[in-house]
Amino acid sequence: EAGVVQSPRYKIIEKKQPVAFWCNPISGHNTLYWYLQNLGQGPELLIRYENEEAVDDSQLPKDRFSAERLKGVDSTLKIQPAELGDSAVYLCASSSGSSYNEQFFGPGTRLTVL
Amino acid sequence: AQSVTQLDSQVPVFEEAPVELRCNYSSSVSVYLFWYVQYPNQGLQLLLKYLSGSTLVESINGFEAEFNKSQTSFHLRKPSVHISDTAEYFCAVSEMDSSYKLIFGSGTRLLVRP
Repeated sequence: EAGVVQSPRYKIIEKKQPVAFWCNPISGHNTLYWYLQNLGQGPELLIRYENEEAVDDSQLPKDRFSAERLKGVDSTLKIQPAELGDSAVYLCASSSGSSYNEQFFGPGTRLTVL
Repeated sequence: AQSVTQLDSQVPVFEEAPVELRCNYSSSVSVYLFWYVQYPNQGLQLLLKYLSGSTLVESINGFEAEFNKSQTSFHLRKPSVHISDTAEYFCAVSEMDSSYKLIFGSGTRLLVRP
């Protein structure tokens, strides 16, 4: 069974440029998460989808961040415009919605904003 | 609000020595507890979990963790480490009635030396 796939793995952009990250969850997983992981810290939830509905986006900075999950499968996270402080690893995870909610993580996209 | 504290940012240890990675949490309700491992350039992988029942849980590669409710701790131990155990280890907690929301600690880097 394929795991969570993310692309690109690395991205370097200049500040004020837009950037997008893509995630393909494990087949059959209805729940999809985007996390932000700053250097030396644990991941922090940005947004959670149940199928195509964003059910928790309270931690997503909506002035510059947006996300979508069309058709309830793949998801895209976008930043426009990027700022220096956005340099981090962006992780995608998915789960099947079982009672204790084991989350399976992708390898992440490491963003560097110059 | 929930929180997780991993006091040790880095733990150096010699190969075949025992190790303990400390994790303390704060929550006003019953919780699930997790340890995730992150190898370089890879996503987080679930190492072990406590959901209910026996307070001592084990992983397939020799790690174990013990849930101590009175001390609100979930320390990770291994009696004899290998070079291949070098990685970042994250403790995480979720409330039983909102198990989708994982709160992570800041991580402990285990560095195993020959």
